[in-house]
Amino acid sequence: GAGVSQSPRYKVAKRGQDVALRCDPISGHVSLFWYQQALGQGPEFLTYFQNEAQLDKSGLPSDRFFAERPEGSVSTLKIQRTQQEDSAVYLCASSWQSRAVQETQYFGPGTRLLVL
Amino acid sequence: GENVEQHPSTLSVQEGDSAVIKCTYSDSASNYFPWYKQELGKGPQLIIDIRSNVGEKKDQRIAVTLNKTAKHFSLHITETQPEDSAVYFCAASPRADGLTFGKGTHLIIQP
Repeated sequence: GAGVSQSPRYKVAKRGQDVALRCDPISGHVSLFWYQQALGQGPEFLTYFQNEAQLDKSGLPSDRFFAERPEGSVSTLKIQRTQQEDSAVYLCASSWQSRAVQETQYFGPGTRLLVL
Repeated sequence: GENVEQHPSTLSVQEGDSAVIKCTYSDSASNYFPWYKQELGKGPQLIIDIRSNVGEKKDQRIAVTLNKTAKHFSLHITETQPEDSAVYFCAASPRADGLTFGKGTHLIIQP
């Protein structure tokens, strides 16, 4: 595809359930980012991969959040034992970015997670 | 870490008029400043960006200015059109890593 794709687009979970959110970056993009966007707020950085290496996970709010990118392409963000405060839109972005230069980040449409 | 403040939170302008959105940042090491437009139910889309070695950049009706001394940057949209209605976010980054975003400006173009 031409852009970043995410699935599912919508997810409803009961409190305590585990969820897995998928991101397919633009083909060939080295860097991949996850952000969390609460209603009416700007995106907040969660974690960053360069190829398969997770270089920064300082934004993950708790140890219930886990991200992986095992082959340096598709990434999965997993949230264990979901809580109501996890309800948000989860955005994935990718870029050509090297470690030295900040490049344009292209965003997917997001996954809207609602925890009941 | 970096902190980005964005004003105003809502901006209503008449079609054809100009709109200006302002942001300030805290980390003097920040060197990359993108602006994104987000429509309802969609992901943010880059509309223009500027790096710290440039004071101004223009792309048709959109321009961005950067004042590194004062640590602020602004988005200017001229000849506004109905399709410009959306939420606009500024962001800053001191390194090749995640972006720090402002809280957004809801731009409303009145016909």
